[in-house]
Amino acid sequence: KQEVTQIPAALSVPEGENLVLNCSFTDSAIYNLQWFRQDPGKGLTSLLLIQSSQREQTSGRLNASLDKSSGRSTLYIAASQPGDSATYLCAGAFNDYKLSFGAGTTVTVRA
Amino acid sequence: EAQVTQNPRYLITVTGKKLTVTCSQNMNHEYMSWYRQDPGLGLRQIYYSMNVEVTDKGDVPEGYKVSRKEKRNFPLILESPSPNQTSLYFCASSYAGAYEQYFGPGTRLTVT
Repeated sequence: KQEVTQIPAALSVPEGENLVLNCSFTDSAIYNLQWFRQDPGKGLTSLLLIQSSQREQTSGRLNASLDKSSGRSTLYIAASQPGDSATYLCAGAFNDYKLSFGAGTTVTVRA
Repeated sequence: EAQVTQNPRYLITVTGKKLTVTCSQNMNHEYMSWYRQDPGLGLRQIYYSMNVEVTDKGDVPEGYKVSRKEKRNFPLILESPSPNQTSLYFCASSYAGAYEQYFGPGTRLTVT
C-alpha cells in the first residue's frame, strides 16, 4: 500500500522566512509527485508536478525536489508572505488511476 | 478558460433523498475521478473513469454511483444519502491517470 506522510501537521513562521515542507512516501516506484495548495474550505490549486525522472521543479518562489531512493519530496517557498498561509498537500501517483494524498501541512505566516 | 466545474457548490439534504453532484471539464481529458475529504482522513478516492463508459471503484465507493456517458461529464450519484456521507467532495480530471490532475472547486454536502 502506498502511503504518503507529511510532517509536521502545522507550521508557523514569521514573514520573510523561507518555508520548508516535507513529504515522504513508501513506494519508490512513483510516477510523479504533485504539490497542491488548499485555502480553508476551498479547492485544490496545483503548484508543481515533478515527474519520476526529474530531481526538481521551480516556479517563481517555489521549488520542489524529489528523491525517489529516500522516498522524499520537499517544497521550498522562498521569502514567505502572509498570503502563503494555507494548507499544502502532496500527492503521489503510484499507478495510473489515482493519487495518494498526504494529510497536509497547515502553514501560518505571521506578519 | 480550462477548468473543472462542479454543481452544486453547497448542498444540505436529508437522509434517503437521492441527489446528484455534477462534474464537467472542458479540457478534453480522458481521465476523471471523485474524491472526498474528511478531517483527519484526508482525501480518499471514491470512483474513477479512464474513459467514456469505463469506470471503476476507488478506496471508498460504498453508497455512491457514477456514470461516464460523455467525455466531459462525470456525475456522482448518491442514491440514498446517509449522514456519514457528509463531506467535502472534489472532482478531478487529467489527460491520463498519472498526468497532472486538475481539481474542481469542491461541493460541500451535509446530510441530516
